Amino acid sequence: EAGVTQFPSHSVIEKGQTVTLRCDPISGHDNLYWYRRVMGKEIKFLLHFVKESKQDESGMPNNRFLAERTGGTYSTLKVQPAELEDSGVYFCASSAARVGELFFGEGSRLTVL
Amino acid sequence: GQNIDQPTEMTATEGAIVQINCTYQTSGFNGLFWYQQHAGEAPTFLSYNVLDGLEEKGRFSSFLSRSKGYSYLLLKELQMKDSASYLCAVSADKLIFGTGTRLQVFP
Repeated sequence: EAGVTQFPSHSVIEKGQTVTLRCDPISGHDNLYWYRRVMGKEIKFLLHFVKESKQDESGMPNNRFLAERTGGTYSTLKVQPAELEDSGVYFCASSAARVGELFFGEGSRLTVL
Repeated sequence: GQNIDQPTEMTATEGAIVQINCTYQTSGFNGLFWYQQHAGEAPTFLSYNVLDGLEEKGRFSSFLSRSKGYSYLLLKELQMKDSASYLCAVSADKLIFGTGTRLQVFP
């Protein structure tokens, strides 16, 4: 069974540009999460989808970040326009149950120059 | 507020035992997870505690005391491949992570 996959694994962009990260959760997992780890800090929650609906987006830093999960399958996280402080590793995770083990992808490392 | 504390770094010798502590203060509690993360890889699930006590799984054990807001991960018979970051995470209304403990195992 395929795990959580994320694309791209690494993206380097200039300040002001746009980047879109994609996450394909484990098939059948209704719960999809986005997390971010900035250098030296803890992994921080960004938002949670249940199927195509945003259950909790309290961790989204500002309106430059837009997450979608059309059709309740894969999800995208767009950063527009990117700022230097957006650099970090963006992790996607999915789970079958609301409370339970999360399965993580390997992350998308974003570097904003 | 939500707060999860764990040591930043630990070192140990191959074959030894190491205990990684985690204390937490969260609004809500649905269980505590330990994840292992090797550099550049995805965090992988190690253990889940929702009731007080010790859960043993091979060389790894995890303990929880809800009244004390305390957990530890115990690694026995350390191997070089156990060098990784160990993340303590509490399931409240969402999964909240500590900063992780970077464990280095030396020969």
